[in-house]
Amino acid sequence: DTEVTQTPKHLVMGMTNKKSLKCEQHMGHRAMYWYKQKAKKPPELMFVYSYEKLSINESVPSRFSPECPNSSLLNLHLHALQPEDSALYLCASSQDRTSANYNEQFFGPGTRLTVL
Amino acid sequence: QKEVEQDPGPLSVPEGAIVSLNCTYSNSAFQYFMWYRQYSRKGPELLMYTYSSGNKEDGRFTAQVDKSSKYISLFIRDSQPSDSATYLCAIPSYNQGGKLIFGQGTELSVKP
Repeated sequence: DTEVTQTPKHLVMGMTNKKSLKCEQHMGHRAMYWYKQKAKKPPELMFVYSYEKLSINESVPSRFSPECPNSSLLNLHLHALQPEDSALYLCASSQDRTSANYNEQFFGPGTRLTVL
Repeated sequence: QKEVEQDPGPLSVPEGAIVSLNCTYSNSAFQYFMWYRQYSRKGPELLMYTYSSGNKEDGRFTAQVDKSSKYISLFIRDSQPSDSATYLCAIPSYNQGGKLIFGQGTELSVKP
């Protein structure tokens, strides 16, 4: 199984809502990533988990809260978002992120988020 | 100066043309170079990667790295309408925790 799955595919939420995005992989990967992608822009890294510990937070606002319950799952909790947070949210995983090896990241299909 | 630069296009070619997609980078310590393909409304998928300098071929696709000029290329031979997508070069930066540094992406359209 070389797939990263993400749910939901689409999400519309108001600025006062709380919602969560979910990501799952069963490739035994120990690094998982959240990216945000705006139209016609490259993915922008938000968070990296390595061995279930948060290792990189790219100065993301606290209204985005990541969680890694186990090595296969990654969540992104959303609260009090702004309309400018509307984007495609991509999850990715890789074997690890050590400096010794190239590190292919497998991406999921993304969740298209609209904040009203 | 951005660490990885890529012309965003868009690039439109007729079916059967040879396509050349290019990126430049600034850090001579970079060693792995990747090309991702992203169809509209989908996640990126890894197309090819190369290590250090040289060429790598996979079917109609050839990835080329010239470390002396810090230039990476992706060539697509006999382009097909199904190749229409955005192509992103990406370089892992190990002194930034393995972070992937993406180019802007080039939007390619292959017309039948």
